[in-house]
Amino acid sequence: GDSVTQMEGPVTLSEEAFLTINCTYTATGYPSLFWYVQYPGEGLQLLLKATKADDKGSNKGFEATYRKETTSFHLEKGSVQVSDSAVYFCALSHTGTASKLTFGTGTRLQVTL
Amino acid sequence: KAGVTQTPRYLIKTRGQQVTLSCSPISGHRSVSWYQQTPGQGLQFLFEYFSETQRNKGNFPGRFSGRQFSNSRSEMNVSTLELGDSALYLCASSLGGSREQYFGPGTRLTVT
Repeated sequence: GDSVTQMEGPVTLSEEAFLTINCTYTATGYPSLFWYVQYPGEGLQLLLKATKADDKGSNKGFEATYRKETTSFHLEKGSVQVSDSAVYFCALSHTGTASKLTFGTGTRLQVTL
Repeated sequence: KAGVTQTPRYLIKTRGQQVTLSCSPISGHRSVSWYQQTPGQGLQFLFEYFSETQRNKGNFPGRFSGRQFSNSRSEMNVSTLELGDSALYLCASSLGGSREQYFGPGTRLTVT
């Protein structure tokens, strides 16, 4: 079955540092890939998505590129802020069952001044 | 536009009881999905309802059930609660198809 693997957290960075959170997946066909963010006490918010190979999703300075050859969708941001502290989830879904998201375990990011 | 709302936000139940959680989707959204979030298992898909019909189902026992009403509001029921059912239950709504899912804040269920 489908699975998503994320790097273990927590990731602790200083403000303005470069962020990379690794995500790899196992799935048949060509799934859509997502990054969601969860702030303390809140539900999940879609951060960005990519629906086909070589697509780059971007939002709020975050970027991720759908790499079919390495089955990866790593999240990057050039300069993190304290307000980016949250838990980040990588996820996938298939066209036929688009509302069924398979999530990774989440990576907690803590940004300090 | 109001977001996805879930009630109640917090709930404490005793083992063996049953519980019903409610989710009101964003106006106009016809798809509602439910997820269970636990520290051990992470986020797991429970089921999806679209136009009052269950369209997809995850790998959960029959104690977990749901339904959707004609106004797209959805309820999730868990019978014969077990300690392992303690979790954050998240609801998400969408227009359907491959459209973006919008998540509610969740209901935190504690089973004692």
